[in-house]
Amino acid sequence: QKEVEQNSGPLSVPEGAIASLNCTYSDRVSQSFFWYRQYSGKSPELIMSIYSNGDKEDGRFTAQLNKASQYVSLLIRDSQPSDSATYLCAVNREAGTALIFGKGTTLSVSS
Amino acid sequence: DAGVIQSPRHEVTEMGQEVTLRCKPISGHNSLFWYRQTMMRGLELLIYFNNNVPIDDSGMPEDRFSAKMPNASFSTLKIQPSEPRDSAVYFCASRRDGLARNEQYFGPGTRLTVT
Repeated sequence: QKEVEQNSGPLSVPEGAIASLNCTYSDRVSQSFFWYRQYSGKSPELIMSIYSNGDKEDGRFTAQLNKASQYVSLLIRDSQPSDSATYLCAVNREAGTALIFGKGTTLSVSS
Repeated sequence: DAGVIQSPRHEVTEMGQEVTLRCKPISGHNSLFWYRQTMMRGLELLIYFNNNVPIDDSGMPEDRFSAKMPNASFSTLKIQPSEPRDSAVYFCASRRDGLARNEQYFGPGTRLTVT
């Protein structure tokens, strides 16, 4: 079983819709969870971090964490064509260790 | 504040040549990471330093790869000799460990092409 799994997509949504990106992880003791956005030809950009169960909202983005079910999701409201990118889920098992990345989900928002 | 700085941004070299990639982490960050990204394999961790000490180098593909961090503000990744299969984008990232919010930031990357 892969440590961090994401559906590779592509996930296609129309402009203005809600995009829902999901990620599951295998290590139950994982503590920190991150979403990165990567545009083609660019480096990963941190957009959300979440550390406790529940929802965390930042503008149009909402990260959701459910440690019991070992999944973390990212919702993008009012999706824009500029949101078209690959979204990487990353998990930190414990302090002082390296992040474990999923393969990423490609999102395409059509106008 | 300046982010993670990497140089060069692009490198084209011939097989067999030595390649050196450079990274300057964010000031105050005490952990530094080298990653390689390809379409086939995604983002792979090569090596991780904490307080200038290599903690995990299990991702370094083979002896042709070496990394150093002589001080808190500089790290190098060297490939000698380079091979075409080393062609990839190499990212450096840094974070400040010891905080509850251990957020990691990436540099712009070095696109390496080995012909």
